[in-house]
Amino acid sequence: KQEVTQIPAALSVPEGENLVLNCSFTDSAIYNLQWFRQDPGKGLTSLLLIQSSQREQTSGRLNASLDKSSGRSTLYIAASQPGDSATYLCAVDSNDYKLSFGAGTTVTVRA
Amino acid sequence: EAGVAQSPRYKIIEKRQSVAFWCNPISGHATLYWYQQILGQGPKLLIQFQNNGVVDDSQLPKDRFSAERLKGVDSTLKIQPAKLEDSAVYLCASTQRGSLYFGEGSWLTVV
Repeated sequence: KQEVTQIPAALSVPEGENLVLNCSFTDSAIYNLQWFRQDPGKGLTSLLLIQSSQREQTSGRLNASLDKSSGRSTLYIAASQPGDSATYLCAVDSNDYKLSFGAGTTVTVRA
Repeated sequence: EAGVAQSPRYKIIEKRQSVAFWCNPISGHATLYWYQQILGQGPKLLIQFQNNGVVDDSQLPKDRFSAERLKGVDSTLKIQPAKLEDSAVYLCASTQRGSLYFGEGSWLTVV
């Protein structure tokens, strides 16, 4: 069974600092990995999708890397802004359409 | 492109009562998921449909939860009778094996 872990559970940084969010998974046989953002009281919004054959994906200030062999993915958010405050979750698709989620990292960006 | 629609957004019921949630996925998406997300945790898969067939319902408490997907499009999740521990947000998501798209969720409070 795929286990997904996100550390730290919470993170507080001053505006302008770069954010580094970590996701680890136990089974490296994955189809893809996705990073989501969740605002309070809202559903999840997909940020980046990395296929198993890719090493990274970029969208604006966001960059996600994937290292299947070590079972890790990292989400980098450059020059953080107060609007980046949210919970970030990673989810792993383990070759069978089944997504396993981490518990998320709650980010607070202080103005 | 219309997103995943869910209703109702909020529901408060007494324990032992019943409740039903509805989901309309993005047009053309064959795979539909229902997730349960308890506050502070990542989403937990309840049931996964591929068209109108069940792919995975191993974590669905079948003594009280039921779900169906009518004609491979809309889906309904029912809880009867509800327990206090069912208080959570119920998220519907759909995909065509790419990014996962979530609805805003149905927030259930059982008192």
